Amino acid sequence: EPEVTQTPSHQVTQMGQEVILRCVPISNHLYFYWYRQILGQKVEFLVSFYNNEISEKSEIFDDQFSVERPDGSNFTLKIRSTKLEDSAMYFCASLTAYYEQYFGPGTRLTVT
Amino acid sequence: RKEVEQDPGPFNVPEGATVAFNCTYSNSASQSFFWYRQDCRKEPKLLMSVYSSGNEDGRFTAQLNRASQYISLLIRDSKLSDSATYLCVVNRVQQGGKLIFGQGTELSVKP
Repeated sequence: EPEVTQTPSHQVTQMGQEVILRCVPISNHLYFYWYRQILGQKVEFLVSFYNNEISEKSEIFDDQFSVERPDGSNFTLKIRSTKLEDSAMYFCASLTAYYEQYFGPGTRLTVT
Repeated sequence: RKEVEQDPGPFNVPEGATVAFNCTYSNSASQSFFWYRQDCRKEPKLLMSVYSSGNEDGRFTAQLNRASQYISLLIRDSKLSDSATYLCVVNRVQQGGKLIFGQGTELSVKP
C-alpha cells in the first residue's frame, strides 16, 4: 500500500539555523500539505500546495517558511532561521481522489 | 470559540464497553468531516470519513448532524488496541482544503 514518507524522523538544530524537512507524497496525488503539532497541542495547518504553487497558507507560515517541490517526488518544508517555538512534530500529507488526507510519520524538530 | 470542539477526556473504559465521542463545529460552511486516530507521538491516521447518512465500519459508527453541527463516533466492543486519541476533523471545502482539527479525545481501554 503506498504511503507518505518523511525524513529525517528527528532533527535537532540550534536556534537561528536553517532546516529542511523532506516528504515524499503518494505518487499520483496532486495536493500536498504541511501541518505541525506542538507537544500537547492540536494539529495545525501550515500550508497547502497544488500545481507547483502554494494554494493556501496559515498565519504561522510566515516569511521564515517556504515550500518547494524540487522534482517529481519530493516536497520540502524549509525554515530559514529556526526559533525555539518552532520545536514541534511536522507532518506532511497528501490528498487522495476521495478527498481524504493521508499523513506521513512526521519529523520531530527540536530547536535548542 | 474554537472551530472544532471535543471533550478532551480521558475516557477510561473496560474492554468490551461501548464508548461514544462527540464533536461540534462552528462553521456551517464546513463540507467534509472525518475521524482520525492518533497514537502517542505518531501521525494522525484516518479512521473514517463521516457522511450525512451515517456510516459504519465494523465496530465503528459515525454520524453527522448538519443542522446541529454535531459529529459523533461510536465504538462498540472496545479493544485494548483502541486506546488512542480520537481527532474530530473538518474541512471547509471538498477538494484541496486544509483540515481543521479538534483537540482530540483520549481513550484508554483497560483489561
